[in-house]
This record gives sequence, structure tokens and C-alpha cells, in this order.
Amino acid sequence: EADIYQTPRYLVIGTGKKITLECSQTMGHDKMYWYQQDPGMELHLIHYSYGVNSTEKGDLSSESTVSRIRTEHFPLTLESARPSHTSQYLCASSEAGFTEAFFGQGTRLTVV
Amino acid sequence: AQRVTQPEKLLSVFKGAPVELKCNYSYSGSPELFWYVQYSRQRLQLLLRHISRESIKGFTADLNKGETSFHLKKPFAQEEDSAMYYCALRGGNEKLTFGTGTRLTIIP
Repeated sequence: EADIYQTPRYLVIGTGKKITLECSQTMGHDKMYWYQQDPGMELHLIHYSYGVNSTEKGDLSSESTVSRIRTEHFPLTLESARPSHTSQYLCASSEAGFTEAFFGQGTRLTVV
Repeated sequence: AQRVTQPEKLLSVFKGAPVELKCNYSYSGSPELFWYVQYSRQRLQLLLRHISRESIKGFTADLNKGETSFHLKKPFAQEEDSAMYYCALRGGNEKLTFGTGTRLTIIP
């Protein structure tokens, strides 16, 4: 089924650990996005990608990095997690042109 | 730079009363405007987009370029409308920017 998947849904990890949040979509979309959202709060765009090997920083500065080696996969990595990284991370994708963005279920990250 | 402003963080409305969620934008070109909704424990999902000029779940939104606004309206609120609503703008570079969101609570 065409969808966008994020794993894990929940992650509790210690300070200093390296983590990768996975995002995959089976819709063949060129555009993919990562947003950071505190519960019930605004979404901040932290990374986006136009396609394979294309990534851009978003509006909110983030210590995370992303890669886009395959169309369907857009992982986000934190080299050294800190408590300030505690948040929900939402991945989204869309077709080229002015169409809607489809969101994943999100990953709720807690750094202790 | 593109920017979306939603002045109301919280809005409470009685069931059956009209609802208006405000959204203003800043963008130098021709934007594409959207309203997204996030119900409790569900994914963020598209509610409507300005180019469709459609009514979804009784909601409508009209793009007013003169006032740079895209307010969301519904004549009679229902309890199931309680949710978080986000206005979003897609610019020429296809970057999708969201407003801060408005939490709508419908009072029975």
C-alpha cells in the first residue's frame, strides 16, 4: 500500500548516542521533508529534498543531518543526541508541483 | 522569505456557532495555500487547498491576495472539529512552510 513510514515510533536514548530516524515512502514522490514539532505546537522545517542527492537546510537550524541516496528513503541522523533534541520528528513527501504533502506518523524522541 | 502567521494559538467555540481560523501570509510571488488538520492521535493531513476551491467537512477558505489572508471558515461547528489546524504555504522553491497552528476546541 502506498504510504509513508517512519521508524521507530518512539525512542528513548541516552545523551551522546548516535541515532538515525528512518523515513520511507512508497509513493514515488520526489520531494521529502523533515519537520520538528513539540506536542501540540508549531512545525519547524529542518530539512528538505527535491530528489536524489539533493538536500537543503530548512527554516530552523538543526544539528541533524539527512541524506537522499534513494528516492524512497530520507533518513535523519543525530551524531550525538542531547536533551534539547527531545521532540517529535515528522517526515513528509509530495509529488513535484503544487500538490499536497503526505505525513508519516512521526517519531517521538526523548533524550535522557 | 515566506512566512505564515496564525494569530490565535487557542480558539474555543460553542457547538453550532460559526468558526473562523485566521491565517495571514507573506510571500513575494504567487503562493499555494493549504489548511492541514491534526486530530488527536492521528497524522497531520490535508484539509483543503486554495486552488481546489472546495468545501471539505463543511470548511471553506478563500485566498484574499489583497489582504494576504487565507482564513478557514465553517458556519456551524461540530464537536468532531476539535483539532489542531495549521495553515501552510508552498512557495516557488516548493518549500512547505507552516504557521504556528491553532488549537480549536468545540464546546458541547
